[in-house]
Amino acid sequence: EAGVVQSPRYKIIEKKQPVAFWCNPISGHNTLYWYLQNLGQGPELLIRYENEEAVDDSQLPKDRFSAERLKGVDSTLKIQPAELGDSAVYLCASSSGTGYGTGELFFGEGSRLTVL
Amino acid sequence: RKEVEQDPGPFNVPEGATVAFNCTYSNSASQSFFWYRQDCRKEPKLLMSVYSSGNEDGRFTAQLNRASQYISLLIRDSKLSDSATYLCVVNRGQAGTALIFGKGTTLSVSS
Repeated sequence: EAGVVQSPRYKIIEKKQPVAFWCNPISGHNTLYWYLQNLGQGPELLIRYENEEAVDDSQLPKDRFSAERLKGVDSTLKIQPAELGDSAVYLCASSSGTGYGTGELFFGEGSRLTVL
Repeated sequence: RKEVEQDPGPFNVPEGATVAFNCTYSNSASQSFFWYRQDCRKEPKLLMSVYSSGNEDGRFTAQLNRASQYISLLIRDSKLSDSATYLCVVNRGQAGTALIFGKGTTLSVSS
């Protein structure tokens, strides 16, 4: 069974440019998460979806970040405009209905963003 | 204060050594606890859950002390392949919240 798929794996952009990341969760997983991970730090939650509903987006910088999961399956995270401080790895994860309690999130390989 | 705090690393140990990682959490309402492992430039993966009674998985033992809000991970007989970053993870247990990750502690096992 395919795991969580993210693209692109790497992206280098100039500051003030837009960028988008895509995530396809494990089939059947209704919960999808976007985390941000800076070098030497643990993942920090940006947004969590239950199906197509964003149930926790309190940490998402809404002035420049947006996310959508229109059909409750794949998701896109967008940054516009990007700033130097946005350079990080953007991790997508998914879990099944019971995953929240068991703590088992399945992560994708991440999208590594470099803003110049 | 961070919600989940871990021992600063890195831990450099020889093969066969026993090493322990500590973690504290600030939210007393937290309900479940986990250790994740993250290899260099890879994604985090669940290593084990942590139960109040303590639990063991081979060479790995996890302990939870709710009164002290303290979690530990003990690795016995360290292998080269144990070299990774170990992330302490807490589930606040409130509706609409997700897992909160610590900063991670890096372990380097050498021959």
